[in-house]
Amino acid sequence: NAGVTQTPKFQVLKTGQSMTLQCAQDMNHNSMYWYRQDPGMGLRLIYYSASEGTTDKGEVPNGYNVSRLNKREFSLRLESAAPSQTSVYFCASSEQAGRYQPQHFGDGTRLSIL
Amino acid sequence: SQQGEEDPQALSIQEGENATMNCSYKTSINNLQWYRQNSGRGLVHLILIRSNEREKHSGRLRVTLDTSKKSSSLLITASRAADTASYFCATPNNNAGNMLTFGGGTRLMVKP
Repeated sequence: NAGVTQTPKFQVLKTGQSMTLQCAQDMNHNSMYWYRQDPGMGLRLIYYSASEGTTDKGEVPNGYNVSRLNKREFSLRLESAAPSQTSVYFCASSEQAGRYQPQHFGDGTRLSIL
Repeated sequence: SQQGEEDPQALSIQEGENATMNCSYKTSINNLQWYRQNSGRGLVHLILIRSNEREKHSGRLRVTLDTSKKSSSLLITASRAADTASYFCATPNNNAGNMLTFGGGTRLMVKP
């Protein structure tokens, strides 16, 4: 049981390049999330998908787009990468959105933008 | 802005000692969750406490919630080197569909 799988694990980009981070979960969860974690800080929500076919902005959505491809997969796209987007990106899923639902996390994508 | 703030930011103890971490939050909540993050890994859910609960146990973990003080504590008893990790509290963001808002975390080091 893999849980939440993120690819790639590491990536280096040049400013202005585009990139899509992939996330897939095999727990039949309805809700999926993208966070970023900067050094010494907690997680900040970028976008979330409460259910298949819906997406909503989180706390820090600027510079990102998302696609809920199907129930399993939720991708995050950087259209024109900037150094400020250097971070560790985590995907998570839960049975339902919010309230009493614990979230299950992948191991992250470490992204550096030069 | 972060809803939950952990205290202390870093904690170093000897194996066998107890570790206590605190979380304060600003607005009313219906539940609070604690997560652990090992170095280089994703977060792992530890425990969820509802607003009508005052204390909850899970193995060596004890969580308390004081809604009047808007604070929670996580106690790890008889700590082990494997407990070395960062610990985060998370609260529902009432302005964002109850999505979770995470604090900055407490970095715990347990020395063997």
